[in-house]
Amino acid sequence: KQEVTQIPAALSVPEGENLVLNCSFTDSAIYNLQWFRQDPGKGLTSLLLIQSSQREQTSGRLNASLDKSSGRSTLYIAASQPGDSATYLCAVPGGGSNYKLTFGKGTLLTVNP
Amino acid sequence: NAGVTQTPKFRVLKTGQSMTLLCAQDMNHEYMYWYRQDPGMGLRLIHYSVGEGTTAKGEVPDGYNVSRLKKQNFLLGLESAAPSQTSVYFCASSPGTPPRGTFGSGTRLTVV
Repeated sequence: KQEVTQIPAALSVPEGENLVLNCSFTDSAIYNLQWFRQDPGKGLTSLLLIQSSQREQTSGRLNASLDKSSGRSTLYIAASQPGDSATYLCAVPGGGSNYKLTFGKGTLLTVNP
Repeated sequence: NAGVTQTPKFRVLKTGQSMTLLCAQDMNHEYMYWYRQDPGMGLRLIHYSVGEGTTAKGEVPDGYNVSRLKKQNFLLGLESAAPSQTSVYFCASSPGTPPRGTFGSGTRLTVV
């Protein structure tokens, strides 16, 4: 069974700081890994999708890396801003079927002005 | 392009009542999903569909039924609502496998 763990569960940083969010998964036979952002009371917005053949994917101040062999991914946020405050979730296909996504419980990020 | 649209956005039910949540997508995606999100539990898959006319059980299917009569619509039904079904429900769709998620904005359901 695929299990996804995100550490830390919550993180509070001052504005301008660079930060790293971690995601680990138990079954390394994945096709891709996706990072999402969820604002309070809202749905999930896809931030980055890394294919299994890639090691990194970048979008603006966000950089996601994937190490399949160790079952880990990191989301790096550069020069954090208060508008980055949200819950960040990672998800991988699996859990007995490649039709569906298995999610971590998320990291709640607060960026203080 | 609306993406994934869920209706209603909020609903309060009494125990034992029934209701249907509607999910509509306009991206011609093959796969559609219903998740529930609860504090401390994360997102859990209720049911999913890999194409028109197909449905399959996810992790927590009990108490729910689904139908996918049209490719663009995925309906989630609660036949007899229970307080344990108080949650935020999210619909998602994916163009195919391996899946990638496009999510709706959610339905907040309270069962009293």
